[in-house]
Amino acid sequence: EAQVTQNPRYLITVTGKKLTVTCSQNMNHEYMSWYRQDPGLGLRQIYYSMNVEVTDKGDVPEGYKVSRKEKRNFPLILESPSPNQTSLYFCASSLSVRGPYEQYFGPGTRLTVT
Amino acid sequence: ILNVEQSPQSLHVQEGDSTNFTCSFPSSNFYALHWYRWETAKSPEALFVMTLNGDEKKKGRISATLNTKEGYSYLYIKGSQPEDSATYLCASSGDAGNMLTFGGGTRLMVKP
Repeated sequence: EAQVTQNPRYLITVTGKKLTVTCSQNMNHEYMSWYRQDPGLGLRQIYYSMNVEVTDKGDVPEGYKVSRKEKRNFPLILESPSPNQTSLYFCASSLSVRGPYEQYFGPGTRLTVT
Repeated sequence: ILNVEQSPQSLHVQEGDSTNFTCSFPSSNFYALHWYRWETAKSPEALFVMTLNGDEKKKGRISATLNTKEGYSYLYIKGSQPEDSATYLCASSGDAGNMLTFGGGTRLMVKP
């Protein structure tokens, strides 16, 4: 089954404790992206990757890091989480960044930073 | 940065009513307009991706139109059902790419 998976689905952590949210897709997609969703603000892009070893900042990259060492995986790293990073996070992928391809979303990770 | 606006923010309708929402986006440098349906506790799923002015797409009781010259798209739901209750997101991309800017969504609630 074609899918995007994320782990963990829920996470409560404390300020400053490094964490990683994993994202994996099995569709051989080139393009992957991380979004955060906050009430009233819609989905905002954090980072994206056009292919292996090619990543770039989205609209709200501060406090986040990503890597793309393999095509299928695109982890999101919070080196020192802060309460303003409490949010719902979605990973998404699509066939390519060049073209009107629909994006496939993971199930979401609800993060709470206390 | 593209500015994508959706209206209304939320909408309550009765089962059987037909309804529509609006997505407006900058018409300059436009490439594609996406509609996604996002049910509570699930992930957003693509409904339509449209690129051409005058495009009209349909999936069951849901259809969408696109006007790239004036920068808007409408999503229509005919004969709303309770299972249509969801947040409907639109997103626009420019520069022949797939990097999306999302609107805030329209939350639809259909009462039985």
